[in-house]
Amino acid sequence: EVQLVESGGGLVHPGGSLSLSCAASGITFSNYWMHWVRQIPGEGLEWVSRINSDGSKINYADSVKGRFTISRDNANNLLHLQMNSLRVEDTAVYYCAGDGGCSGSSCYGSSGLDVWGQGTTVTVAS
Amino acid sequence: QSVLTQPPSASGTPGQRVTISCSGSSSNIGKTYLYWYQQFPGTAPKLLIFRNNQRPSGVPDRFSGSKSGTSASLAISGLRSEDEAAYYCAAWDDNLDGLGFGGGTKLTVL
Repeated sequence: EVQLVESGGGLVHPGGSLSLSCAASGITFSNYWMHWVRQIPGEGLEWVSRINSDGSKINYADSVKGRFTISRDNANNLLHLQMNSLRVEDTAVYYCAGDGGCSGSSCYGSSGLDVWGQGTTVTVAS
Repeated sequence: QSVLTQPPSASGTPGQRVTISCSGSSSNIGKTYLYWYQQFPGTAPKLLIFRNNQRPSGVPDRFSGSKSGTSASLAISGLRSEDEAAYYCAAWDDNLDGLGFGGGTKLTVL
């Protein structure tokens, strides 16, 4: 069964740090480009970050650049998101999602984010 | 403010055909493929359409996508009550060097 399972969410004070993980199973994780997408409850989806299959190419949304770090451990089928200098506006459900249709150095014309985790909740409050 | 623009709501009666629009620019929709995601309350999004008009296996052919220039649309024919959900369009944006989502359209089946 294809599965992504996020963990690490919780309550943190503004300025604090939190580390999220996403464990993959049922897929060849090392072939997937992986994303973090977040959603404030009741609101829309916001893309956070992307990492390519071998970790050599990384992109961030401007809203998290310099504060969040995405990384992956292909040996253990894990995706990570280190979140530092957290703000109240980072409060959201964080989803990991995978794109298995990228090739080489590009995701142009990929098959989209075809596998998603169930999400983990991050609350930043004093 | 979302990268792509969608109407916040849409509605239809069972059996009807409804369309949801998605507007972008030359740095996103005008340059690359468009994707659609479906999300039910309290659950993760699910890929509905990829590469403008392709359906993943298991997605009914009642769902179709199209793209023209810097706009795209999702059409749902033979509307069913179980189609009531939020629908999001998405495309890579070269200017942002990131994935842009639409604000989402909540579809109500009357």
